[in-house]
Amino acid sequence: KQEVTQIPAALSVPEGENLVLNCSFTDSAIYNLQWFRQDPGKGLTSLLLIQSSQREQTSGRLNASLDKSSGRSTLYIAASQPGDSATYLCAVRAAGNKLTFGGGTRVLVKP
Amino acid sequence: GAVVSQHPSWVICKSGTSVKIECRSLDFQATTMFWYRQFPKQSLMLMATSNEGSKATYEQGVEKDKFLINHASLTLSTLTVTSAHPEDSSFYICSARGGLAYEQYFGPGTRLTVT
Repeated sequence: KQEVTQIPAALSVPEGENLVLNCSFTDSAIYNLQWFRQDPGKGLTSLLLIQSSQREQTSGRLNASLDKSSGRSTLYIAASQPGDSATYLCAVRAAGNKLTFGGGTRVLVKP
Repeated sequence: GAVVSQHPSWVICKSGTSVKIECRSLDFQATTMFWYRQFPKQSLMLMATSNEGSKATYEQGVEKDKFLINHASLTLSTLTVTSAHPEDSSFYICSARGGLAYEQYFGPGTRLTVT
């Protein structure tokens, strides 16, 4: 059974610092991995999707890497801003075509 | 990008009553829809997967007679919580995927409170 873990569970940084969020998964036989952002009481916003054949994806200040063999993905957010404060979730799609979510990392960027 | 809407955004109901939540894909045809529930400060847990015109497939531990899912069209799925109890209070999020697309698009969620 696929298990997804996100470390740390919470993170607080001063504005301007780079954010590094980690995601690990137990079964490397995945189709893709997706990073989401969730604001309190809201739904999910897709940030980046990395196919299993890719090693990274970039969008603006966001960069996500994928090392399928070791079961790891890292989301980098450069030059953090208070508006980046949210919960970040990673999810992997594997056999059964379902998304399995990690527990999330709650990020607070202090002005 | 693709948009998924949910209605209502929040609902309060009394124990023993039923409540229906709608999920719509606004600008694409959703061949597959997913229903998740999320407890405070926890991640999303998949409840069921539905394909248009077919019966939903429920995850282990989810009561199909309590959480009725209907995916009658390519743009609409409904989740009905029957005989609601306070422990059913949660944040319910739907998601939709179209055809062979890899990406799932998520609705804004529905906050259900059962008193």
